[in-house]
Amino acid sequence: GAVVSQHPSWVICKSGTSVKIECRSLDFQATTMFWYRQFPKQSLMLMATSNEGSKATYEQGVEKDKFLINHASLTLSTLTVTSAHPEDSSFYICSSSMGGGNTEAFFGQGTRLTVV
Amino acid sequence: AQTVTQSQPEMSVQEAETVTLSCTYDTSESDYYLFWYKQPPSRQMILVIRQEAYKQQNATENRFSVNFQKAAKSFSLKISDSQLGDAAMYFCAYRSAWQYGNKLVFGAGTILRVKS
Repeated sequence: GAVVSQHPSWVICKSGTSVKIECRSLDFQATTMFWYRQFPKQSLMLMATSNEGSKATYEQGVEKDKFLINHASLTLSTLTVTSAHPEDSSFYICSSSMGGGNTEAFFGQGTRLTVV
Repeated sequence: AQTVTQSQPEMSVQEAETVTLSCTYDTSESDYYLFWYKQPPSRQMILVIRQEAYKQQNATENRFSVNFQKAAKSFSLKISDSQLGDAAMYFCAYRSAWQYGNKLVFGAGTILRVKS
């Protein structure tokens, strides 16, 4: 089946630095990618929708200058957490699918970000 | 906007027994898709089963089956012959059929514990 590869799987960074998370669709063209944030034992919260070649659409309450999303190709979307702070520590997951509403959404392995 | 409600934060089941996870949703759309996803301790999201709203027949995948009640907007998941590997967090999700690459709307999740 289709695979979405997300890297890194975990990262620890110092407060004030920036961290980039990559999400790649390995065997299909991902026109749209979704970025989620998940706290322990909670649901996935959609942060933004990333469209290839255009600006990302952010959900209400998500700071677009804080969470920079770039979707420069059909196989790669990146999420950069800028000037990270401890409250940004979380689990971040990307997802994409190949087609319409009934097709399976494929998820990356997730990235555990810890800001110290 | 669509919403998905999972009213059971945690459930327990004895190995080899059957358990049912509840999910209700709210939408004004007539055509949509419903999913159950499993998130084991590895946190990799795994599709368990999907249901097209236009299909009256309940979806089945081996030990997993759903009870889809469109009028009641209910979509429960039944796990038969529960196994230790079924222990995970389960998410019910909704996706509109009207838009390509549309986002998933997730419920809060249910933690399933399997006792040996």
